[in-house]
Amino acid sequence: KNQVEQSPQSLIILEGKNCTLQCNYTVSPFSNLRWYKQDTGRGPVSLTIMTFSENTKSNGRYTATLDADTKQSSLHITASQLSDSASYICVVPRGGSNYKLTFGKGTLLTVNP
Amino acid sequence: EAGVAQSPRYKIIEKRQSVAFWCNPISGHATLYWYQQILGQGPKLLIQFQNNGVVDDSQLPKDRFSAERLKGVDSTLKIQPAKLEDSAVYLCASSLDPRNQPQHFGDGTRLSIL
Repeated sequence: KNQVEQSPQSLIILEGKNCTLQCNYTVSPFSNLRWYKQDTGRGPVSLTIMTFSENTKSNGRYTATLDADTKQSSLHITASQLSDSASYICVVPRGGSNYKLTFGKGTLLTVNP
Repeated sequence: EAGVAQSPRYKIIEKRQSVAFWCNPISGHATLYWYQQILGQGPKLLIQFQNNGVVDDSQLPKDRFSAERLKGVDSTLKIQPAKLEDSAVYLCASSLDPRNQPQHFGDGTRLSIL
């Protein structure tokens, strides 16, 4: 069954601290893996797309890693800011004719001052 | 570039009434999606269009939900009649190439059923 599991479900950190969010997937065949940020009351916004050959990819203070062998990805946030408070969603398309996307339930990150 | 536009932003109706949502995707994006997002969960695909053809509607409750994409641009999603469990945010997204390009989401319509 094609699934995307994220952990933790929620996380609270202090401003300025680092954190790491996890994503495990069983989607097959693998095409790429995507991380989205969803602010409260807004639609998700793409942070990064990682292909099979990419191990690490950065977008500002966000760094995503991918281990295609263990089917795991992580999103590391450095020097967190209050504006990082959001839900972070891992998405994995299933390769095929329509590239159906499987969404994780997201990790709700709260950054406190 | 302008983003994905959705309207209305909020809608409150009573159960058994009908409701319609509208979406205008990013210009040139052939792929359009409608998602249902219940609080605390990831988006669930309802229907995917490629131009004005349906690619995937396997999770669309066809007895009450319908969607169309006229001329391969704007799209409408309709619910008739609405049930209490339809209370959710309905997100529209578009993509230039679903294989390797990100989806661009609108801010959604928050539907409350009384």
